[in-house]
Amino acid sequence: NAGVTQTPKFRILKIGQSMTLQCTQDMNHNYMYWYRQDPGMGLKLIYYSVGAGITDKGEVPNGYNVSRSTTEDFPLRLELAAPSQTSVYFCASSYSVRNRYSNQPQHFGDGTRLSIL
Amino acid sequence: QKEVEQNSGPLSVPEGAIASLNCTYSDRGSQSFFWYRQYSGKSPELIMSIYSNGDKEDGRFTAQLNKASQYVSLLIRDSQPSDSATYLCAPTVGGATNKLIFGTGTLLAVQP
Repeated sequence: NAGVTQTPKFRILKIGQSMTLQCTQDMNHNYMYWYRQDPGMGLKLIYYSVGAGITDKGEVPNGYNVSRSTTEDFPLRLELAAPSQTSVYFCASSYSVRNRYSNQPQHFGDGTRLSIL
Repeated sequence: QKEVEQNSGPLSVPEGAIASLNCTYSDRGSQSFFWYRQYSGKSPELIMSIYSNGDKEDGRFTAQLNKASQYVSLLIRDSQPSDSATYLCAPTVGGATNKLIFGTGTLLAVQP
């Protein structure tokens, strides 16, 4: 069982270039999330999705776009790369909320380390 | 602004000792709480979840929750050098969306 798979693992971009970070999960999770983690910092939510065709902004969405056409895939798009987007990007997924008092844990991919020069 | 506060550490404990990691959160609506372990250069790995006030034990790990005080902690008994990592506290926010808010983490160093 692969879990959450992210590609690529490493990438160097030039300022102004664009790219798509891929994320796919094989656990049939409805919910998916994109985070960024800067050195010495906690994870910040970029975008999330509660199902195919449904996406919403997180805490730090500027400069990014997402789509969710299938349950399995949740790609993250950088349109005009900027040095401030140098970070490690993590994709995560979870089952839907069990009930009001019991949320499901998120499971993370291995991350994409992105440098923009 | 919803926040999670953790002592950044490093918290240094000798092998075999109990490590105590603390976390406070600002959102009184948080219902579920997760502890993740993150080794340097790796992704977060779920180690504990807790949903009700009190203690929850799983092997060498015990999570403690006090919603009235907005406080959650993680105890690691018989600490091992392999426990050396950053521990992230993550309460839920936003209810049905299952979103998490993360602290900056506490770096634990277990000395052999």
